[in-house]
Amino acid sequence: AQTVTQSQPEMSVQEAETVTLSCTYDTSESDYYLFWYKQPPSRQMILVIRQEAYKQQNATENRFSVNFQKAAKSFSLKISDSQLGDAAMYFCAYRRRNNAGNMLTFGGGTRLMVKP
Amino acid sequence: NAGVMQNPRHLVRRRGQEARLRCSPMKGHSHVYWYRQLPEEGLKFMVYLQKENIIDESGMPKERFSAEFPKEGPSILRIQQVVRGDSAAYFCASSQGSGQPQHFGDGTRLSIL
Repeated sequence: AQTVTQSQPEMSVQEAETVTLSCTYDTSESDYYLFWYKQPPSRQMILVIRQEAYKQQNATENRFSVNFQKAAKSFSLKISDSQLGDAAMYFCAYRRRNNAGNMLTFGGGTRLMVKP
Repeated sequence: NAGVMQNPRHLVRRRGQEARLRCSPMKGHSHVYWYRQLPEEGLKFMVYLQKENIIDESGMPKERFSAEFPKEGPSILRIQQVVRGDSAAYFCASSQGSGQPQHFGDGTRLSIL
């Protein structure tokens, strides 16, 4: 079974600074997707960024980028120029690529606080 | 194009009652997933349905919980004889196909008195 681990329950960053959230996962599959979701106090689940395992290039979306290390099974999220609106729970998630087992497997989350 | 719609947003039930949670997928989506989020935890997969079929229910408790996705109408997650431990946020996601991105609804927060 796949597992996703987020070892940082809480992180704090100063506004305009950069922060990195960690995620590791365990799988025997070679082809899969990895995601970072943001959950603000409103409890919506907002997709931040997605990485396909077969792509070596790290995904980027504006101020958000990932460091995908396939051999180490590591998938960290870097938030640059942090803004107050970035404060939220962040969840790392994994999904197999093939048709079997389409469910997302989530980590336990990291609460990000942004200090003005 | 409306997103995934879940209702009610909040649901309060007394122990022993039934809870029905509804999810209308995005237009054109025929795959629905239900997840449960306990307080201070990540989302946990419960069940995956395609129109009129349950594809994977490996994450759903064997008793008291059931799900359906009829040909017409929303998907329903039904919890019978609710207990305090059922208090959680229940999220629905939908996708266009089995390998396509999942779009989440805003969740239903279930509270058991």
